[in-house]
Amino acid sequence: GPKVLQIPSHQIIDMGQMVTLNCDPVSNHLYFYWYKQILGQQMEFLVNFYNGKVMEKSKLFKDQFSVERPDGSYFTLKIQPTALEDSAVYFCASSSGQNTEVFFGKGTRLTVV
Amino acid sequence: QQQVRQSPQSLTVWEGETAILNCSYEDSTFDYFPWYHQFPGESPALLIAIRPVSNKKEDGRFTIFFNKREKKFSLHIADSQPGDSATYFCAARPTGYQNFYFGKGTSLTVIP
Repeated sequence: GPKVLQIPSHQIIDMGQMVTLNCDPVSNHLYFYWYKQILGQQMEFLVNFYNGKVMEKSKLFKDQFSVERPDGSYFTLKIQPTALEDSAVYFCASSSGQNTEVFFGKGTRLTVV
Repeated sequence: QQQVRQSPQSLTVWEGETAILNCSYEDSTFDYFPWYHQFPGESPALLIAIRPVSNKKEDGRFTIFFNKREKKFSLHIADSQPGDSATYFCAARPTGYQNFYFGKGTSLTVIP
């Protein structure tokens, strides 16, 4: 089936540094999402993105977070600066339209030390 | 405040039994309720979903039962197979929005 690819699968970064998580969504999908899952907890919505703009974001989407998809390349989540509480698995997802099936990637495990 | 609650956290059944996974939700504006499953090292993948206009949705061995009045929905896996062993997540989406609220997941083990 359609695949959402996330690169890298694991990343360790020093607190205060910047990190960029990359997502290659399903070809021709137009809606993109990031979710955050802390160990032992549920996946929580961060943001969705359409037509070059943030459409919805949760309170977890702090000012240090930003998303973009320049020129149809990777959909990225940037955290600058990182904090210890940013350690989690980040899932990228995409869908072709509103109210259509959402496809998830395998996640990037981010460890902030 | 957790919008979607899921139980049990883990479940073990014998091959051939029916596994029952439960979820409840808070917000009555939720209008779409999918179940995802995730095998180790893989992505969460959509298994089956229901909208509140129905109280039951079947797809092969997988059935969702939905109770709008009690704000509960459950996934029944009939004739469970060892290959069904995975983590199952229920979710809910508010009307007019594209984001999901997920449960914490149920780790299902089916013993041959």
